[in-house]
Amino acid sequence: DTEVTQTPKHLVMGMTNKKSLKCEQHMGHRAMYWYKQKAKKPPELMFVYSYEKLSINESVPSRFSPECPNSSLLNLHLHALQPEDSALYLCASSQDGRGPATNEKLFFGSGTQLSVL
Amino acid sequence: AQKITQTQPGMFVQEKEAVTLDCTYDTSDQSYGLFWYKQPSSGEMIFLIYQGSYDEQNATEGRYSLNFQKARKSANLVISASQLGDSAMYFCAMREPAGGTSYGKLTFGQGTILTVHP
Repeated sequence: DTEVTQTPKHLVMGMTNKKSLKCEQHMGHRAMYWYKQKAKKPPELMFVYSYEKLSINESVPSRFSPECPNSSLLNLHLHALQPEDSALYLCASSQDGRGPATNEKLFFGSGTQLSVL
Repeated sequence: AQKITQTQPGMFVQEKEAVTLDCTYDTSDQSYGLFWYKQPSSGEMIFLIYQGSYDEQNATEGRYSLNFQKARKSANLVISASQLGDSAMYFCAMREPAGGTSYGKLTFGQGTILTVHP
């Protein structure tokens, strides 16, 4: 099973709403990532979790709150978002994420298309 | 800081022909990894091929090959015998080794939209 599953596929929310994006993998990977992608642009890294600990926060606004309940699950809690936060949110996982290895490939999910009204 | 450059916003190719997508990079690290990903309109990023900085041979995966020229810092993707299903956005990416604040980070180029004509 080499899948990263993201739910929901589409989400429309108002600026006062609270919602969560979910990501799950069962490949035994210990590193998980959130990326944000605007249309026709490259993905931009938001957060990296390694062994359930937050390793990288790319200066993301606090209205985005990541959570890694266990090694298979990654959530992104959303609160008081702005219209400019509308984007495709991609989750990814890799085997380890640590150490000098530069050959770790990331496995991506299909993303959640978020629209903030 | 590393940088990935894809200079072709869009490319067109006839079905069954070969196409080369360009990628250049800049890094001060001796050890790094280069990746190509395909993103169809469905949104999923699909891994295609990997080349390590110390690999002496060019990587190949089926119809995909990577033309790695280390001295020129280029890592072009070659797709042979293009198929209609190859129409997608293609991203070149580089992974730097862990250390300092660059832990586990994969950085993407701007991408190239490939359109395969029948």
